[in-house]
Amino acid sequence: QITLKESGPTLVKPTQTLTLTCTFSGFSISTSEVGVGWIRQPPGKALEWLALIFWNDDKRYSPSLKSRLTITKDTSKNQVVLTMTNMDPVDTATYFCAHTDCSSTSCRSGYLDYWGQGTLVTVSS
Amino acid sequence: QSALTQPASVSGSPGQSITISCTGTSSDVGGYNYVSWYQHHPGKAPKLMIYDVSKRPSGVSNRFSGSKSGNTASLTISGLQAEDETDYYCSSYTSTTTWVFGGGTKLTVL
Repeated sequence: QITLKESGPTLVKPTQTLTLTCTFSGFSISTSEVGVGWIRQPPGKALEWLALIFWNDDKRYSPSLKSRLTITKDTSKNQVVLTMTNMDPVDTATYFCAHTDCSSTSCRSGYLDYWGQGTLVTVSS
Repeated sequence: QSALTQPASVSGSPGQSITISCTGTSSDVGGYNYVSWYQHHPGKAPKLMIYDVSKRPSGVSNRFSGSKSGNTASLTISGLQAEDETDYYCSSYTSTTTWVFGGGTKLTVL
């Protein structure tokens, strides 16, 4: 059974760096063709794809946020960490992490089949 | 990259069929057969309904189907049920080797 859970601060100040951790079980990110991604949803708005890391350390970032994002994995801890620098009130959102598996398709599929419940991050001074 | 274009809302009566469109460009939807659809009840985790344009994950009702023509992908829900009322998002692989979501569609079951 695959589960994912996001954790991190609920409140950050403008200009600060946000660090979010996705702790998962039921799979290993060292397994071939597995990946974990991050997605966010500002209140009342649409989902926004942020970043994804694959088992082989291949990392993908949203072009519009690439300069502010870093995604890393800790295989021993079953965790994926997302950092976002220079936080702004417009970054207030629920942040989700999700699992992808390209063993039965191309890794360009990028489908997200298991999601965490999300964590709300508010950016305010 | 810009978000894919979805209608803000669609509606249908129980038992009817509805279709949600997802329009992109040749750099995303039109260029690849890697469109996914997600059902999202606010406050809950999104659920994968369709991947690779028309493939259905195990456990997803066959009332949900996907297709694509040119730069537009579509999600069709047949035999509409009250429990289908919620938000739906499409997503596509892009030429920047990343992914992009649509703006979301609110489905109302009348």
